[in-house]
Amino acid sequence: GAVVSQHPSWVICKSGTSVKIECRSLDFQATTMFWYRQFPKQSLMLMATSNEGSKATYEQGVEKDKFLINHASLTLSTLTVTSAHPEDSSFYICSARDDRLPYNEQFFGPGTRLTVL
Amino acid sequence: EDKVVQSPLSLVVHEGDTVTLNCSYEVTNFRSLLWYKQEKKAPTFLFMLTSSGIEKKSGRLSSILDKKELFSILNITATQTGDSAVYLCAVELGSQGNLIFGKGTKLSVKP
Repeated sequence: GAVVSQHPSWVICKSGTSVKIECRSLDFQATTMFWYRQFPKQSLMLMATSNEGSKATYEQGVEKDKFLINHASLTLSTLTVTSAHPEDSSFYICSARDDRLPYNEQFFGPGTRLTVL
Repeated sequence: EDKVVQSPLSLVVHEGDTVTLNCSYEVTNFRSLLWYKQEKKAPTFLFMLTSSGIEKKSGRLSSILDKKELFSILNITATQTGDSAVYLCAVELGSQGNLIFGKGTKLSVKP
């Protein structure tokens, strides 16, 4: 159980375009979803935390107008990278958690590799 | 500033060796410490530690936390080539349950 999927698994886009990444909890309800970014040979860096039905909380240094996060349902969160530039090329990973459970472990999606040309 | 530091950053061993990976942390609101194994994609969960001195074991892997000295170790005995991966240490903060990750230790096990 506790499977999280991401779509697409990889995407290549031109500079200036927007890209949407979906994160779904397949067999549980995710009251909280997290979005991480990982550059090559770097660790996972938390970008934002989203709770279902409310605005996301962004970490310092992450532009909320550039990285739009929507968590409209208990099983789906989306991250839209607007006006993508080559420096946005990275591995984006989401994780999901049900805060109502006594042990609220985060379950990670498989990640999305974004390449901006 | 909250931080998690792992050492070494990379390690090359031969099959059968035993390795110890280190994770130290400085955070303001500690809830738990987690170890993950990351191969090509997303991290997979290994252990969660909340109390000092209690060893968690899973097969050849074990881990322990010292909340007084603010560190944890991950031991892997009788290493196999399949253990080759990046091992990530993360500290869960008590406020929103955010995870702060270390940079990871890249373990390479040679046959």
